[in-house]
Amino acid sequence: AQTVTQSQPEMSVQEAETVTLSCTYDTSESDYYLFWYKQPPSRQMILVIRQEAYKQQNATENRFSVNFQKAAKSFSLKISDSQLGDAAMYFCAYRNTGNQFYFGTGTSLTVIP
Amino acid sequence: GAVVSQHPSRVICKSGTSVKIECRSLDFQATTMFWYRQFPKKSLMLMATSNEGSKATYEQGVEKDKFLINHASLTLSTLTVTSAHPEDSSFYICSASEWEGDFYGYTFGSGTRLTVV
Repeated sequence: AQTVTQSQPEMSVQEAETVTLSCTYDTSESDYYLFWYKQPPSRQMILVIRQEAYKQQNATENRFSVNFQKAAKSFSLKISDSQLGDAAMYFCAYRNTGNQFYFGTGTSLTVIP
Repeated sequence: GAVVSQHPSRVICKSGTSVKIECRSLDFQATTMFWYRQFPKKSLMLMATSNEGSKATYEQGVEKDKFLINHASLTLSTLTVTSAHPEDSSFYICSASEWEGDFYGYTFGSGTRLTVV
């Protein structure tokens, strides 16, 4: 199975500031997808952003953007203009060609008012 | 958008009994459903992948006889924890995939908190 590593168990950011969450993964496949999911206290997994490995352009969704470095197998998430509602657990995930997901251990994000 | 309903949200059962968790795709047909287990403050661990009408594929280390998965229709998958023990207490989450024209979208259920006493 592929491995996904999130080296930051906890992060905090001041409201309206920018924060970057790190993620690295290990794979021998060339075709795959990467995701960032948000899990608030309700435990519902919410898709934040996705990136197709074959695309060189970094994905962007409003205040959320990624820095995808395929050669380095790195996939970081940048949250701009952080809001209180962004506070949650963030999981980086890898999806292989068999459509199976593998998740990192998560980063707990605190937003300070 | 796509909705996946997972039921029950919470269940408490006695040790030795079995409990069934349902995962339904409400407004789409899910060719594949996945079952995950999440320990407190931990990541989601993929347990098994199920395709409609065929046997589930279990991840290494997951006991297929303890965690029975049935995917009888394109909208329903069930996970039955058989002869549950306290160590099976956990948060279980399902997800369902749907072809969106150029991509398989994934929608997660809201999870089931299982407590075995």
